[in-house]
Amino acid sequence: EDQVTQSPEALRLQEGESSSLNCSYTVSGLRGLFWYRQDPGKGPEFLFTLYSAGEEKEKERLKATLTKKESFLHITAPKPEDSATYLCAVQAVGGKTSGSRLTFGEGTQLTVNP
Amino acid sequence: DAGVIQSPRHEVTEMGQEVTLRCKPISGHDYLFWYRQTMMRGLELLIYFNNNVPIDDSGMPEDRFSAKMPNASFSTLKIQPSEPRDSAVYFCASSMNTEAFFGQGTRLTVV
Repeated sequence: EDQVTQSPEALRLQEGESSSLNCSYTVSGLRGLFWYRQDPGKGPEFLFTLYSAGEEKEKERLKATLTKKESFLHITAPKPEDSATYLCAVQAVGGKTSGSRLTFGEGTQLTVNP
Repeated sequence: DAGVIQSPRHEVTEMGQEVTLRCKPISGHDYLFWYRQTMMRGLELLIYFNNNVPIDDSGMPEDRFSAKMPNASFSTLKIQPSEPRDSAVYFCASSMNTEAFFGQGTRLTVV
């Protein structure tokens, strides 16, 4: 069974204070790892897809990296508008019944104070 | 494209009543997912469709829940009868078998 564990559960930063969020995963064969951002009262918003160990993706102050066991979402010089819950999900290589589903972690609630 | 559209945004119903949630996926996407989100359990996959055919419904909690996709542009999730423990935010998402794009969700409250 695919499993995704995110840490920490909550993170409070000062504006400009860089940090990283962790996503550890167990999957029979990784097809893709996804990062989403979720604001209160809204649906998850897609950020990145990573497919293989060593891959990196960047968007503004966010950079996602991937190893064979975990992914990190690095936040450089965050701003208050980066406050949100960040969700990690995995998609496994598989047959018809499992190959397309995304399994989500519990998320990290990030608060950036001005 | 307007993205994934869900209706209603909010639904309050009494225990025992039937509830129907609706979803219009992004045009051209051939996968559709129904998720439920609660504080206790996070995002849980209930069921997903490929080309309008249900592929995996192992996440549907019990027979009170049913989902249909009569065509490529419409899906429903029905709960009958509803119970207070069904209170949650229900999300619909669609994809082309890579990243999924989510709707704004339906917040269901069963009293």
